[in-house]
Amino acid sequence: AQSVTQPDIHITVSEGASLELRCNYSYGATPYLFWYVQSPGQGLQLLLKYFSGDTLVQGIKGFEAEFKRSQSSFNLRKPSVHWSDAAEYFCAVGSQGNLIFGKGTKLSVKP
Amino acid sequence: DAGVIQSPRHEVTEMGQEVTLRCKPISGHDYLFWYRQTMMRGLELLIYFNNNVPIDDSGMPEDRFSAKMPNASFSTLKIQPSEPRDSAVYFCASSLLGFGQGRGNEQFFGPGTRLTVL
Repeated sequence: AQSVTQPDIHITVSEGASLELRCNYSYGATPYLFWYVQSPGQGLQLLLKYFSGDTLVQGIKGFEAEFKRSQSSFNLRKPSVHWSDAAEYFCAVGSQGNLIFGKGTKLSVKP
Repeated sequence: DAGVIQSPRHEVTEMGQEVTLRCKPISGHDYLFWYRQTMMRGLELLIYFNNNVPIDDSGMPEDRFSAKMPNASFSTLKIQPSEPRDSAVYFCASSLLGFGQGRGNEQFFGPGTRLTVL
């Protein structure tokens, strides 16, 4: 069965530091992969997506993610975190007609 | 476009009452999804529609939950009777296409309805 694992429940980084959020998926075919961000009290906003082609995808707000088939991973990165990046981040894989979400990683940013 | 619209944003009700959540998808989107988000279970897909037809309702927890999509611009999720364990944030999302159909299949989420059942 398809699944998504985000091993880190909560991460704290200093403002200006680099960030990497981990995501591993289980899927039989070529996956459709997504990262969403949810600010407190808000809905989910799409950061970026991977369907095919270049395995390094660029998203909004300076985020990027790299698809690594051999590791079944789709980690999210940002070179320099801003205080406004504090939110919860969800990785998802497209399956049939819907999305399967990971449990999310909450990001806190220290001044 | 105004995005996906959900109402109400907050709902507080008493156990046993009927609750109706509403969603207006983005115009032209053929797919509509209902999700529930809780601390314990994260984001769960309840049901999704394609062209107003329910495709997969395997995530609907019990017969107390029902969803309808009478036309392309409106959907409801009803809980009758409601119970305290139904307290959660309910999200509606829509997408232009489904998976395997190209690049228009990312889902756009509404702001959610926070439901509290006392």
